[in-house]
Amino acid sequence: GQQVMQIPQYQHVQEGEDFTTYCNSSTTLSNIQWYKQRPGGHPVFLIQLVKSGEVKKQKRLTFQFGEAKKNSSLHITATQTTDVGTYFCAGRNRSGATNKLIFGTGTLLAVQP
Amino acid sequence: DVKVTQSSRYLVKRTGEKVFLECVQDMDHENMFWYRQDPGLGLRLIYFSYDVKMKEKGDIPEGYSVSREKKERFSLILESASTNQTSMYLCASQTSGRETQYFGPGTRLLVL
Repeated sequence: GQQVMQIPQYQHVQEGEDFTTYCNSSTTLSNIQWYKQRPGGHPVFLIQLVKSGEVKKQKRLTFQFGEAKKNSSLHITATQTTDVGTYFCAGRNRSGATNKLIFGTGTLLAVQP
Repeated sequence: DVKVTQSSRYLVKRTGEKVFLECVQDMDHENMFWYRQDPGLGLRLIYFSYDVKMKEKGDIPEGYSVSREKKERFSLILESASTNQTSMYLCASQTSGRETQYFGPGTRLLVL
């Protein structure tokens, strides 16, 4: 079946350092979404990318969708302690049901003050 | 704001017990989902529903069933709980035509 893998599984950074998580799908995606889950919390929608090669920014966060629509990345510039949490990508197979997402395995980010 | 609530934050059950997890959303969303979250495995879809009384299997439906008698409520049922069903269970809702899913706070289930 379709798989969406994320690397790294875990990353520990010093506050102020940059962070990147990568999302790779075994099949072409129609779109990709990113969610953030704070410790003890639930996933919260961050952004959706639809177009091949699309890049979107939210303050210190930069999201990119690959040209082949099979991979994506989230880059955080100058991490802060508020960035702590698990970041998930989620994609819909290009031929899949509109309402069904495949979630990545997640990357847990720890930020040391 | 969309509000998705789940009946319990923490639940402890014994092997063989029947377990009901309830999810309610207040935004009249057509689609509702049940996931389980386990370390290193991300979120895995158990079942989803796109309308009242409609349900579809997700990726890991074995050992679970669901019920959607009313649009706002989606229940996950463990007919006979087993220790390998110890997990965090997350409910989500979504309006048709939009892809964003809104999650409830989760139920952490421990099966002894």
